[in-house]
Amino acid sequence: GESVGLHLPTLSVQEGDNSIINCAYSNSASDYFIWYKQESGKGPQFIIDIRSNMDKRQGQRVTVLLNKTVKHLSLQIAATQPGDSAVYFCAEIIGGAQKLVFGQGTRLTINP
Amino acid sequence: SQTIHQWPATLVQPVGSPLSLECTVEGTSNPNLYWYRQAAGRGLQLLFYSVGIGQISSEVPQNLSASRPQDRQFILSSKKLLLSDSGFYLCAWSARGAQPQHFGDGTRLSIL
Repeated sequence: GESVGLHLPTLSVQEGDNSIINCAYSNSASDYFIWYKQESGKGPQFIIDIRSNMDKRQGQRVTVLLNKTVKHLSLQIAATQPGDSAVYFCAEIIGGAQKLVFGQGTRLTINP
Repeated sequence: SQTIHQWPATLVQPVGSPLSLECTVEGTSNPNLYWYRQAAGRGLQLLFYSVGIGQISSEVPQNLSASRPQDRQFILSSKKLLLSDSGFYLCAWSARGAQPQHFGDGTRLSIL
């Protein structure tokens, strides 16, 4: 079964607010994590990634935090916009494998 | 820049009919290629991946097969479709031995 899961299946935030999407993983050997954004009817779009030797990585309006102690990953989106509404997936890679293990996804809705 | 193309975007097929979905990648050489299936409201399940021409690894037993006749072409096939084969099929590529994976826009397959 999947070893990556999400705490909340849905999340609604007001436009302009910050949002945090959480992900738990169970395999301590996971060494690479990715966040994807999937809009309706489209394929997942790469947002940001992080390796296990890092705790934090920032992109444009997005930050990924990795807590290896509790096996927790989060995606923070600053100043949310209507275009941020989508399903967000975390995914992990274990060891040197080339296979991604995806979580179930969180649907983020931005309210005007 | 690299691009990935999948077609068709949507497909309706009767039970028992054959299937051929095609995926091509442009702008890169020797990519890893992947086929995923996504059930409605769910995460992605890896079906096949390939590290080179003619090299296919199957992740789950199923009614589908994959082939890689050329370096940047990946084909998903079935001789006789089942109702359970309905879903959203996504092709992805990554640089050889590297991540992240980049996805196409998928094929919505409905079996009647």
